[in-house]
Amino acid sequence: GAGVSQSPSNKVTEKGKDVELRCDPISGHTALYWYRQSLGQGLEFLIYFQGNSAPDKSGLPSDRFSAERTGGSVSTLTIQRTQQEDSAVYLCASSLDRPLGLAGVGTGELFFGEGSRLTVL
Amino acid sequence: AQRVTQPEKLLSVFKGAPVELKCNYSYSGSPELFWYVQYSRQRLQLLLRHISRESIKGFTADLNKGETSFHLKKPFAQEEDSAMYYCALQGAQKLVFGQGTRLTINP
Repeated sequence: GAGVSQSPSNKVTEKGKDVELRCDPISGHTALYWYRQSLGQGLEFLIYFQGNSAPDKSGLPSDRFSAERTGGSVSTLTIQRTQQEDSAVYLCASSLDRPLGLAGVGTGELFFGEGSRLTVL
Repeated sequence: AQRVTQPEKLLSVFKGAPVELKCNYSYSGSPELFWYVQYSRQRLQLLLRHISRESIKGFTADLNKGETSFHLKKPFAQEEDSAMYYCALQGAQKLVFGQGTRLTINP
């Protein structure tokens, strides 16, 4: 498809289990983001991949969270030993490039997936 | 560090009334600012960006560096404007969002 694709769309798991969330960005997009959306917390930045640069992991809330991006395309967000507070919608977004501060083509717009709703019982 | 603050979690106005969604930011460099919107059952999407100086669906936003603000305004609200609005700041690297404001337009 032409848009950002995320799977699964819904995931219910038991506390303590590991989960993997997948993101297929738009083909050719070099930047990929993971955000967490929860009530009262807005959109919380988790991790950012840009081309071949080292990812910005500064938003990951604990060492239970990790993410990979293979071949500059598909990304997987892994949450180990899930806790109830991990329940949220996990959003993935991709963009052509980061904004350069200049008016131009394809700068700055993030294209979002529909999200993966995670419920930890 | 870069930070975006949207002081209002909820905002409710009547159809036809003016609407202003507040956004303040903190960033030491030259910021690039955006408004994103999420309508019911739809994906989060870009509404407008400050470098384009555009008006989208009647909305405008002016960057005020003195007040470090990027408020979103529309002179006459419409029912279809009801949605979740997020202000976002692009720093040297990542894009950071505020907590969002849920706008409800009453008929």
